[in-house]
Amino acid sequence: QVQLQQSGPGLVKPSQTLSLTCAISGDSVSSNSAAWNWIRQSPSRGLEWLGRTYYRSKWSNDYAVSMRSRITINPDTSKNQFSLQLISVTPEDTAVYYCAREGGGSYDSWGQGTLVTVSS
Amino acid sequence: SSELTQDPAVSVALGQTVRITCQGDSLRSYYASWYQQKPGQAPVFVIYGKNNRPSGIPDRFSASSSGNTASLTITGAQAEDEADYYCNSRDRSGNPVVFGGGTKLTVL
Repeated sequence: QVQLQQSGPGLVKPSQTLSLTCAISGDSVSSNSAAWNWIRQSPSRGLEWLGRTYYRSKWSNDYAVSMRSRITINPDTSKNQFSLQLISVTPEDTAVYYCAREGGGSYDSWGQGTLVTVSS
Repeated sequence: SSELTQDPAVSVALGQTVRITCQGDSLRSYYASWYQQKPGQAPVFVIYGKNNRPSGIPDRFSASSSGNTASLTITGAQAEDEADYYCNSRDRSGNPVVFGGGTKLTVL
């Protein structure tokens, strides 16, 4: 069974960088049949897909159109994990952030969620 | 990009059947997935496409699709089914993934 364990700070100052990590157990970040996603949830936006990284003979990323100028998702094969970096955050980025495994068209495993508050 | 529309709230009497719907253009091309979320918890994958349930999900949960509408049906709703339910699907326009706004299910 796949388990995802998130880590990272719960408070980020405006204009700074939000950084979260998702450690994978029970699967490999280099899997040819899975993709590794970041999704956030807020009362105003509901569930919002941010982006993903996946390996299919080479590494690829997809990012939400609204996030492309600010987001980076990177795999770390040595630690079997992946990360999210979101630069230049504003209070609008306050949300619960989830990592999730995508397999067969669905998000079949989720991290526990991290509430990230953007505030000075 | 496309959107998926869900009714904000639905209620069902204990033991009765309830259908939760999800509408959007992307559903004409792609199956929907459904997730259950209880307060303070991460979403849980419930079902995909034509009744593809992960292990541990009761068979009272079923799915169907027609045209631009996908449905999640709970046959014999239990008290523990009270939760928010979200649909999602792949998409061709804009982002590759789209989520519905969620339906709050109350079991009376």
